[in-house]
Amino acid sequence: EADIYQTPRYLVIGTGKKITLECSQTMGHDKMYWYQQDPGMELHLIHYSYGVNSTEKGDLSSESTVSRIRTEHFPLTLESARPSHTSQYLCASSRLAGGTDTQYFGPGTRLTVL
Amino acid sequence: DQQVKQNSPSLSVQEGRISILNCDYTNSMFDYFLWYKKYPAEGPTFLISISSIKDKNEDGRFTVFLNKSAKHLSLHIVPSQPGDSAVYFCAASAAKTSYDKVIFGPGTSLSVIP
Repeated sequence: EADIYQTPRYLVIGTGKKITLECSQTMGHDKMYWYQQDPGMELHLIHYSYGVNSTEKGDLSSESTVSRIRTEHFPLTLESARPSHTSQYLCASSRLAGGTDTQYFGPGTRLTVL
Repeated sequence: DQQVKQNSPSLSVQEGRISILNCDYTNSMFDYFLWYKKYPAEGPTFLISISSIKDKNEDGRFTVFLNKSAKHLSLHIVPSQPGDSAVYFCAASAAKTSYDKVIFGPGTSLSVIP
């Protein structure tokens, strides 16, 4: 059973607010990811990390930032939310580097920016 | 340009029948393929995978077939059950290269009718 948690599950905020989406995993995985997904569309990788103090941008440009100070924690921050940021944000982790390792996903945060 | 395509956004199948979900890819460097299943309000969960050295992998009711020359893979579910109703994502990676990120398709929504 995968143990990866995301909070909040749903968030509705006004334009210009700063928000942080939390993601934590208790599996000791080194690699963590953030994906953005719109309904009926593919998951787009926006950030990933190979371990503590490692952060990389994904294939989809994003105005968000991430940090990895602890192995188990990989928060995503939007300094000034806009309606274009409305989407579902999925956090995932995997044990090994490389594309063959299974990714374990959290339940997602559905963000709506008014 | 989508590197992983799932051209059927939705599929309806009668309970007990076979469900066939299709996936095409364009990048010949992809050598590892995965299927994830997603229920509403949950994150995707890993279902089954296949390496490019194989053309078939089976796990219970789920079988994935890979046709490398056609850059095509399919997921067969036999027999289909109502609990299989979910969105199925095809994903691919170039595990033997330094580009180890996983690319997801847009998903196919499967409805199994009792």
